[in-house]
Amino acid sequence: GENVEQHPSTLSVQEGDSAVIKCTYSDSASNYFPWYKQELGKGRQLIIDIRSNVGEKKDQRIAVTLNKTAKHFSLHITETQPEDSAVYFCAGARKSTFGDGTTLTVKP
Amino acid sequence: GAVVSQHPSRVICKSGTSVKIECRSLDFQATTMFWYRQFPKKSLMLMATSNEGSKATYEQGVEKDKFLINHASLTLSTLTVTSAHPEDSSFYICSAPAAGQFFGPGTRLTVL
Repeated sequence: GENVEQHPSTLSVQEGDSAVIKCTYSDSASNYFPWYKQELGKGRQLIIDIRSNVGEKKDQRIAVTLNKTAKHFSLHITETQPEDSAVYFCAGARKSTFGDGTTLTVKP
Repeated sequence: GAVVSQHPSRVICKSGTSVKIECRSLDFQATTMFWYRQFPKKSLMLMATSNEGSKATYEQGVEKDKFLINHASLTLSTLTVTSAHPEDSSFYICSAPAAGQFFGPGTRLTVL
């Protein structure tokens, strides 16, 4: 089956700093790479995704970069704010396998 | 944003009984919903894809007769765990796609 590994498991940053979460995958045929955000007491929501034909995608303060050779993709959050505090999950494409999650804490 | 609800959030039942879990998309319609199971300290594992108006598609290793799925309407899918055993105890989560993937809050099933 497909393996997806996420690092780090916890991340604490000061407000305004950047945060980077990395996800490695095993299925070389993967062509879709999503990131989800889950806030306390809420469901998991897709925040950004990238397809294999591009290397980077940005949406305001968040971006995702893809390295197909190394089989990893990363979530970048710039100018972090306290409301960015949540658990972030990457996912494998074909079997909807999720990483174990990264708990991001943004300190005011 | 879109909301998916699940009911119940927690259920305890005796071995041999059946348990029904509902997944509802509250403000959007979903012709497809997904059912997942999460074991302790493990990632989510896709169990089946629920299709409105037709049979569900099960992942390899998932017993169709044990995990009955009915997608009765565009806003409701149900998962029934039949003849529950203690090893069925787990966290069950549904999701529905709507310009993204929205997940329910999950149902904790404990089979005594």
